[in-house]
Amino acid sequence: SAVISQKPSRDICQRGTSLTIQCQVDSQVTMMFWYRQQPGQSLTLIATANQGSEATYESGFVIDKFPISRPNLTFSTLTVSNMSPEDSSIYLCSVEDQDVEGYTFGSGTRLTVV
Amino acid sequence: DAKTTQPTSMDCAEGRAANLPCNHSTISGNEYVYWYRQIHSQGPQYIIHGLKNNETNEMASLIITEDRKSSTLILPHATLRDTAVYYCIVNAGNMLTFGGGTRLMVKP
Repeated sequence: SAVISQKPSRDICQRGTSLTIQCQVDSQVTMMFWYRQQPGQSLTLIATANQGSEATYESGFVIDKFPISRPNLTFSTLTVSNMSPEDSSIYLCSVEDQDVEGYTFGSGTRLTVV
Repeated sequence: DAKTTQPTSMDCAEGRAANLPCNHSTISGNEYVYWYRQIHSQGPQYIIHGLKNNETNEMASLIITEDRKSSTLILPHATLRDTAVYYCIVNAGNMLTFGGGTRLMVKP
């Protein structure tokens, strides 16, 4: 199956700052997905990132707060902007994986905003 | 995507079979049933999926009822490492929508 490297694995950030999370895949994929998992909650899709076009955001998520880049078929970044303590979550990237006929997830970035 | 209903939590004795139910009464004809699990502090892991036939792989078996309105994930011999949150998702080929899942606790 696809191997996803997500960086950083964790970070503690000051409120008002921004953090960029990187997601690298070992194979070319058409769509990459970004999820948020708030403490004790399930995963919520933030946006879908296609190479060569703007990301598609789900209800409740906006580009100004969560800008996404997708420069090529193996890489994407998610930025959490102007952070507040409510942004403390695990952020995960995911790709559609033909090898498993499903989706593979990165190990996540655990963000704490203080 | 159709919604799913799962019990919030279940316990299972180590070495016994764990049977995790899922209701998806509004599933469409082209939607697959997927199962993922999330072990603490890790990303979700794919387990198995099926359309209407029962499926088995090295991790688990998936039993789908004939009307496709419910399914059961079976871990034949649960170990302590199977303690995790198990998500049942119905999907027609686009992004996954996660529900609350079932927290399975395997006890010695």
